[in-house]
Amino acid sequence: NAGVTQTPKFQVLKTGQSMTLQCAQDMNHEYMSWYRQDPGMGLRLIHYSVGAGITDQGEVPNGYNVSRSTTEDFPLRLLSAAPSQTSVYFCASSYSNGPWDEQFFGPGTRLTVL
Amino acid sequence: DAKTTQPNSMESNEEEPVHLPCNHSTISGTDYIHWYRQLPSQGPEYVIHGLTSNVNNRMASLAIAEDRKSSTLILHRATLRDAAVYYCPYERGAQKLVFGQGTRLTINP
Repeated sequence: NAGVTQTPKFQVLKTGQSMTLQCAQDMNHEYMSWYRQDPGMGLRLIHYSVGAGITDQGEVPNGYNVSRSTTEDFPLRLLSAAPSQTSVYFCASSYSNGPWDEQFFGPGTRLTVL
Repeated sequence: DAKTTQPNSMESNEEEPVHLPCNHSTISGTDYIHWYRQLPSQGPEYVIHGLTSNVNNRMASLAIAEDRKSSTLILHRATLRDAAVYYCPYERGAQKLVFGQGTRLTINP
């Protein structure tokens, strides 16, 4: 299994540009989520999904959209990039949203917005 | 607001045990206690979790206080590869983990 994969690894955007961060998992996990990590900080939840067709907002959802058309994929869209969105973005998945399930994290996408 | 509290940094020597503390004073009775670690330039990695009883796995042991207001992650024999930031995120609903700043663990050769 490849686990959780994210593309691209690095991205530089100009203010106002839009882009999509890709996340895929091959473990048939129902639950997927997106976090951002700012320098020296812990991770903050952006959006999450408990299954295909179902998404919900996390702690810091503004400026981001998600959709979940398949079990495997959970893309994160930046609608109009701002410098405040400069961060490292992590995608994670788990078998279910049960509190006993471990989450598997991807390697991250480092985004810089100029 | 609910949160966890950890020391900013700790240091230990290779092949010695390490005890990483976490205070979760506002934990509710059904919240699981989780531990994750993040190696440099990588995503977080699951370490262990528990509810009320102490737990052991191949990576570490988790000691949970009787009142569940604190827990301790125990690495029995630290190696250089255990140098990482260790988090004890609390759970704001099923799988919605809230990460603090964590403890940066340094292992000396």
